Amino acid sequence: AQKVTQAQTEISVVEKEDVTLDCVYETRDTTYYLFWYKQPPSGELVFLIRRNSFDEQNEISGRYSWNFQKSTSSFNFTITASQVVDSAVYFCALSDDRDSNYQLIWGAGTKLIIKP
Amino acid sequence: GAGVSQSPRYKVTKRGQDVALRCDPISGHVSLYWYRQALGQGPEFLTYFNYEAQQDKSGLPNDRFSAERPEGSISTLTIQRTEQRDSAMYRCASSLARRGAQHFGDGTRLSIL
Repeated sequence: AQKVTQAQTEISVVEKEDVTLDCVYETRDTTYYLFWYKQPPSGELVFLIRRNSFDEQNEISGRYSWNFQKSTSSFNFTITASQVVDSAVYFCALSDDRDSNYQLIWGAGTKLIIKP
Repeated sequence: GAGVSQSPRYKVTKRGQDVALRCDPISGHVSLYWYRQALGQGPEFLTYFNYEAQQDKSGLPNDRFSAERPEGSISTLTIQRTEQRDSAMYRCASSLARRGAQHFGDGTRLSIL
């Protein structure tokens, strides 16, 4: 069965520090998709990125970057020069075809606190 | 519309009443998902539609929960004979296709007294 583990329950850093959020996944499928979502204190779920299993290139979007490594089944998320507005709960999620019918399987989330 | 729209934003009702939650997906999105999210947790899958066909309802907790999407656009999640344990944030998401990125609405906060 598929599973997503976000081992870090809560991370607290001072503004301008870099921070990495870990995500480890399990799936039997060879075709799958990985996602990151942000949930700020206001409660909405904001889509950040979707990556398919055949594309292992790292991606950078502004201060955000993602490191996908199939060898370790990890899809980590780094925020460079963090800002207070980055404070939120971040969820990593997985979808595949064999077990989940492309529903999202969610990690427990990592609460990120950026202190000014 | 520009994003996924859910209504009402808040619903407070007495135990035993029926409630209907509405989701209007992004225009052109064929896939629609319903999730439930408890405080401090990730969303929990309820059901999935591809156009008007309900292709997966494995996450619906019991037969008091049902959903429909009769014309392949707006969807309604109905909870009959509500119980206090049904209190949660109910979220709808849509995507262009089954493999696409799911975009979420702001949710309906349901409180059962």
